[in-house]
Amino acid sequence: SQQGEEDPQALSIQEGENATMNCSYKTSINNLQWYRQNSGRGLVHLILIRSNEREKHSGRLRVTLDTSKKSSSLLITASRAADTASYFCATVLYNQGGKLIFGQGTELSVKP
Amino acid sequence: GAGVSQSPSNKVTEKGKDVELRCDPISGHTALYWYRQSLGQGLEFLIYFQGNSAPDKSGLPSDRFSAERTGGSVSTLTIQRTQQEDSAVYLCASSSKIGPGQGFGSPLHFGNGTRLTVT
Repeated sequence: SQQGEEDPQALSIQEGENATMNCSYKTSINNLQWYRQNSGRGLVHLILIRSNEREKHSGRLRVTLDTSKKSSSLLITASRAADTASYFCATVLYNQGGKLIFGQGTELSVKP
Repeated sequence: GAGVSQSPSNKVTEKGKDVELRCDPISGHTALYWYRQSLGQGLEFLIYFQGNSAPDKSGLPSDRFSAERTGGSVSTLTIQRTQQEDSAVYLCASSSKIGPGQGFGSPLHFGNGTRLTVT
């Protein structure tokens, strides 16, 4: 089964609103990464948070990590129509080298 | 420099034929990954390379799938005797670092994928 699972599976909001996506995982991780995928394209790396970090910011993105609950959240503030995409979390398992395991993704739709 | 390049971008093949998918990673990237993505789904890990060796082949779905990497650069994913369930987008990614003490699990740079359709 997948290591990471995102929820919700789909999210529809209006421009200017905040979007929150969650990711849960099962086993100990080295780090957790968030990626974005526009339709028909490859994935683009957004942000990486290490297992000893609790929160990280990058522009309008805020990521939190709770290793006790094995969960992470991605917050996009002041969303724009251009943020419409699928968002995936990926975990680097502690004892499996650099292999990244991806979740099923959250499909975000931001309406103008 | 240039990003990760995959070819072909689209491939339609008949059931039972063999196909080869190519990935040119970013120059100097030592780690190379292959994933498969079915329509509307997440990414399924297939295999990754550290240099020319593949420490983890656990994701290859069957013995019809194989991959190689030569010269620490270009990689080829081969699917023999294709089946309809092999239809998917095959994504390649590369990374500059891998392994403990080397930026463990560094971000991946993805190509745009090869869309494989088996008829």
